[in-house]
Amino acid sequence: GAVVSQHPSWVICKSGTSVKIECRSLDFQATTMFWYRQFPKQSLMLMATSNEGSKATYEQGVEKDKFLINHASLTLSTLTVTSAHPEDSSFYICSARRDRGYNEQFFGPGTRLTVL
Amino acid sequence: QKEVEQDPGPLSVPEGAIVSLNCTYSNSAFQYFMWYRQYSRKGPELLMYTYSSGNKEDGRFTAQVDKSSKYISLFIRDSQPSDSATYLCAMTRGTSYDKVIFGPGTSLSVIP
Repeated sequence: GAVVSQHPSWVICKSGTSVKIECRSLDFQATTMFWYRQFPKQSLMLMATSNEGSKATYEQGVEKDKFLINHASLTLSTLTVTSAHPEDSSFYICSARRDRGYNEQFFGPGTRLTVL
Repeated sequence: QKEVEQDPGPLSVPEGAIVSLNCTYSNSAFQYFMWYRQYSRKGPELLMYTYSSGNKEDGRFTAQVDKSSKYISLFIRDSQPSDSATYLCAMTRGTSYDKVIFGPGTSLSVIP
């Protein structure tokens, strides 16, 4: 149980285009989902926290207009990187937490974004 | 001082060795502690989840929490090459919308 999927697993796009990444909890309902960014050999950097049906909470320094997050249902959250630039190239990972009272986060396999 | 500190390694051990991975933290309000394993270019995988102080064992893995010292450990017995990965400790206070704070990770290599 507690499986989280991400799609796509990798994407290459041209500078200026927008990219959408999907995060799904496959066998549980996730009231909260998190989006992280990870650079090579570095730890996870939390970008934003999204709760189903409400606006995402972004970490300091993360541009809300650039990284659009939508938590449309209890099993789906999406991250859209708008007008992507080469510096946005990174490994993006989502995680999901079950109900309130559960502290474990279950991670997706990650999406590698390369912006040319 | 960072909230959670972890020796980044790399740590290299021979196959079959006992591995000790450690984290220290500064916030005494943390009550829930987790260890994740992350293979290269993959998402982290939850290994162990513990509440408050004490030990928890699962197969070759043992998690220890010492809240008085603000110190947590993960022991891996009979280490295997497949254990080669980055290990992240994580912790939270446990309130409904509280963030989980991750350590920077320790890179482990188990040499056949």
